[in-house]
Amino acid sequence: TQLLEQSPQFLSIQEGENLTVYCNSSSVFSSLQWYRQEPGEGPVLLVTVVTGGEVKKLKRLTFQFGDARKDSSLHITAAQPGDTGLYLCAGVDYGGSQGNLIFGKGTKLSVKP
Amino acid sequence: DAGITQSPRHKVTETGTPVTLRCHQTENHRYMYWYRQDPGHGLRLIHYSYGVKDTDKGEVSDGYSVSRSKTEDFLLTLESATSSQTSVYFCAISALRLDYNEQFFGPGTRLTVL
Repeated sequence: TQLLEQSPQFLSIQEGENLTVYCNSSSVFSSLQWYRQEPGEGPVLLVTVVTGGEVKKLKRLTFQFGDARKDSSLHITAAQPGDTGLYLCAGVDYGGSQGNLIFGKGTKLSVKP
Repeated sequence: DAGITQSPRHKVTETGTPVTLRCHQTENHRYMYWYRQDPGHGLRLIHYSYGVKDTDKGEVSDGYSVSRSKTEDFLLTLESATSSQTSVYFCAISALRLDYNEQFFGPGTRLTVL
């Protein structure tokens, strides 16, 4: 069974600080996705990383896919209160036949002004 | 934003009563999913559909059934609600490119079973 482990589970920082959250697995994934979920809303797709070693940037957010395609990281530069939310990573479950997603349990980020 | 709505948004019901949650999409996507989200467990797949009248079980399907009679609607039914089914339920859709499966989520339904 493929599993995605996210760390840390909780992160509370001050506005302006940098942070990195991690998504790790012992399995190889063809791609990994990152979602952000704000309180009371559904998850929203931020990015999909596909190639080992790939780096994608979305404003102050930098996403990296590990060379072996078993892990990914999300780095936020100069965090702002608007970055507060639950960050989820997800990958396609190749144990099934329909390409369903497996989700990590998430990192809950709180950015205080 | 993908056009996905869920109804109701909030529901309180009693143990033993049937409950139906509705997901409606305007994107004409083939794949639709029902998840539940609970503290400490993250998002878990209940059932999914890969076309009209084509559905299959996910990780936590016991106590739930689904139906999809039209492309745009995917219904989740709790035949006899239990307190363990208190949760937030999310519907998602995707066009499913095989290696990606990028999903778009609805706003969620908060269900409380007393």
